[in-house]
Amino acid sequence: AQSVSQHNHHVILSEAASLELGCNYSYGGTVNLFWYVQYPGQHLQLLLKYFSGDPLVKGIKGFEAEFIKSKFSFNLRKPSVQWSDTAEYFCAVNARGSSNTGKLIFGQGTTLQVKP
Amino acid sequence: DAGITQSPRHKVTETGTPVTLRCHQTENHRYMYWYRQDPGHGLRLIHYSYGVKDTDKGEVSDGYSVSRSKTEDFLLTLESATSSQTSVYFCAIRTAPNTEAFFGQGTRLTVV
Repeated sequence: AQSVSQHNHHVILSEAASLELGCNYSYGGTVNLFWYVQYPGQHLQLLLKYFSGDPLVKGIKGFEAEFIKSKFSFNLRKPSVQWSDTAEYFCAVNARGSSNTGKLIFGQGTTLQVKP
Repeated sequence: DAGITQSPRHKVTETGTPVTLRCHQTENHRYMYWYRQDPGHGLRLIHYSYGVKDTDKGEVSDGYSVSRSKTEDFLLTLESATSSQTSVYFCAIRTAPNTEAFFGQGTRLTVV
């Protein structure tokens, strides 16, 4: 069964600091990977996604993520965070293949607080 | 925003009563999902649907049932609500497994 683990539960950074949020998944086959963001009081929105090809994917608002297959990881990065990046971030995975029914599993989430 | 409507948006109910939450979409997307969001647990999948009358269990399906009799509606029922089911419930839709999921605004359910 697929699962997702996010290592950092609560991260506090100052503006302009660099960000890296960890995400590891558990599944032996091919996967689709996603990062979503949830701003306070809002629903989830997609930051970026990986399906195939270049393992370094770029998303909105300057975010990027790198898929490392050998490590089952899909870490989210941003070179310089802003106060407006304060939000909760979720990694998600769904398995691909003939038995894929579209089951989409999320990690526990990481709360990012950016201090001005 | 994608055409997803969750109803009700807020509900307070008593322990032991049945509760049904509705997710309605106008996008004709095949896949629909119900999640609950709780502090420290992130989003946990309750049930999902990959077509009309095709549903499957998620990670935390005990105490919940679903029905999808038509493409646009996905109903989540708490057969007998318990305090542990107090949560925020999100519905999501998408066209295919390799596409973005769009989320509804959420339903805040309180079981007293």
